[in-house]
Amino acid sequence: GNSVTQMEGPVTLSEEAFLTINCTYTATGYPSLFWYVQYPGEGLQLLLKATKADDKGSNKGFEATYRKETTSFHLEKGSVQVSDSAVYFCALTGAGSYQLTFGKGTKLSVIP
Amino acid sequence: NAGVTQTPKFQVLKTGQSMTLQCAQDMNHNSMYWYRQDPGMGLRLIYYSASEGTTDKGEVPNGYNVSRLNKREFSLRLESAAPSQTSVYFCASSGLGGTAQNYEQYFGPGTRLTVT
Repeated sequence: GNSVTQMEGPVTLSEEAFLTINCTYTATGYPSLFWYVQYPGEGLQLLLKATKADDKGSNKGFEATYRKETTSFHLEKGSVQVSDSAVYFCALTGAGSYQLTFGKGTKLSVIP
Repeated sequence: NAGVTQTPKFQVLKTGQSMTLQCAQDMNHNSMYWYRQDPGMGLRLIYYSASEGTTDKGEVPNGYNVSRLNKREFSLRLESAAPSQTSVYFCASSGLGGTAQNYEQYFGPGTRLTVT
């Protein structure tokens, strides 16, 4: 079956530091890949997505590239802010599927 | 535009009690979902409804039932609550009958349920 593995947290960074959160996946066929973000006390929001190999998703300064050869979708941001403190989830879905498979989440704390 | 709303926000039940979690969306979405979120486990799909009148099991359906009341509303029922059902429950919806691949899922704020 499908599965997503993402780096364990928590991750603590200083403001303006570079962020990488690793995500690798196992899936049959050609899945679509997503990053969701959950701010404290809220539901999840889609941050970015990529639907085919070599696609780059980007939003709010965050980027992730769909790498089929390494089955990875790592999240990066060049300069984090305190407001980026949240839990980040990598997820995938197979072609024609209604089911999102989530990773366990990575908690990011950014300190001033 | 409220998006996806859930009630209640918090609930404490005793083992064996029953309750229904309510979810409504005002985005005219066809598909709706129920997830549970547990520490260190990510989100797991309980049930989903691809369109009004249909429901299907997800990854962890045991101990739950669902009803797609109409296009807007999708409820989750615990008939006999157990401590293992202590969790945060999220409802989500996605647009116009598309699969998760093509349509973003919009999440509600969650219901925190404790079963003692």
